[in-house]
Amino acid sequence: QVQLVESGGGVVQPGRSLRLSCAASGFTFSTYGMHWVRQAPGKGLEWVGIIWYDGSNKYYADSVKGRFTISRDNSKNTLYLQMDSLRAEDTAVYYCRATGDEGFDIWGQGTMVTVSS
Amino acid sequence: SYELTQPPSVSVSPGQTARITCSGDALPKQYAYWYQQKSGQAPVLVIYEDSKRPSGIPERFSGSSSGTMATLTISGAQVEDEADYYCYSTDSSGNHVVFGGGTKLTVL
Repeated sequence: QVQLVESGGGVVQPGRSLRLSCAASGFTFSTYGMHWVRQAPGKGLEWVGIIWYDGSNKYYADSVKGRFTISRDNSKNTLYLQMDSLRAEDTAVYYCRATGDEGFDIWGQGTMVTVSS
Repeated sequence: SYELTQPPSVSVSPGQTARITCSGDALPKQYAYWYQQKSGQAPVLVIYEDSKRPSGIPERFSGSSSGTMATLTISGAQVEDEADYYCYSTDSSGNHVVFGGGTKLTVL
């Protein structure tokens, strides 16, 4: 069964850090590009960033560049999002997403991150 | 930064055709994708590469793109199609992804 499961969300104070994980199963993780996408409460979808299948390239949205880092461990079938210098506006549900050819497009169920003092 | 523009809302009666548009300067060069998101759920891809339908998506969903505008068409919309719909594409470099602001489809 093709599946992505996020974890690591929670409540964190402004300025602190948090690391999210996304565990993949049911497909060959190491051959797919992976994204993080977030959705603030009551708002639309916002792309956070992408990492290529082999980790060789990464691109970020302007809103998180320099604060967030995407990485992956293909031996563990796991994607990560390191979030530093968190702000209130980073409060959102964070989804991981796998993309490939022929419309291959898998999303996790999301993990909630709340940045609040 | 690059933006995709969608109407905030579209409303149709059951059985009518719903059309949701998405405009962006890079759409002549980049594919458009469409997602359906129902309340409390993760998004689901309904159209990829402008007009292709993933397996399991009903035939009433179709997509097209011309110039700087992409369109999602739902022919014979049903009550269960009520959802938020997002277009998605990349900027001209192909490296930065952007979602449209979303369109709330009401079928009643």
